[in-house]
Amino acid sequence: KNEVEQSPQNLTAQEGEFITINCSYSVGISALHWLQQHPGGGIVSLFMLSSGKKKHGRLIATINIQEKHSSLHITASHPRDSAVYICAVRSYDGGSQGNLIFGKGTKLSVKP
Amino acid sequence: EAQVTQNPRYLITVTGKKLTVTCSQNMNHEYMSWYRQDPGLGLRQIYYSMNVEVTDKGDVPEGYKVSRKEKRNFPLILESPSPNQTSLYFCASSLRFRLLQYNEQFFGPGTRLTVL
Repeated sequence: KNEVEQSPQNLTAQEGEFITINCSYSVGISALHWLQQHPGGGIVSLFMLSSGKKKHGRLIATINIQEKHSSLHITASHPRDSAVYICAVRSYDGGSQGNLIFGKGTKLSVKP
Repeated sequence: EAQVTQNPRYLITVTGKKLTVTCSQNMNHEYMSWYRQDPGLGLRQIYYSMNVEVTDKGDVPEGYKVSRKEKRNFPLILESPSPNQTSLYFCASSLRFRLLQYNEQFFGPGTRLTVL
């Protein structure tokens, strides 16, 4: 079983729709990252969370530490949001604090 | 401009021929890391460095070496490349990697390596 699971794997939406991408993890973590990988391959860091909720523009990320679950929401989606969204967790076992474990990504396509 | 650079961006080589992929950042970041990305497997961490002369293994370190002699540079060395190391490689850096402290990771543009 993967330590970080994302759902759905693929998502197609119409412009303007509200989008939710989910990330569940099975390890103890100190933080969770959301990344965006553009069609050209470049990767951008969107959020890092250790609790609660963060908002940046049309993007909202939430995390529930007790349930080991995080969601990334996109409001009023736009074709330029089309990308692969990747969840990564910073596992904390005391000995490898720099280690990041990644989900396999959610490919989002927003149609005009 | 603040950035992470990788060279080369594309490389085709043959089995066993030693190669180095360079990574450099101009943001005075302490933390640097190497990842590989493969279809169906996603991103996986190879090695990371919390600071100069401090490196540690990630999830898939076999067949790779790294060094961190200077803060700005973190080269990835393949002493004897094999076809299973054909992949897309990303270098990344962040200011620090302290627990519970937000530090955005900045990614390089990627290096596409093919080992024949």
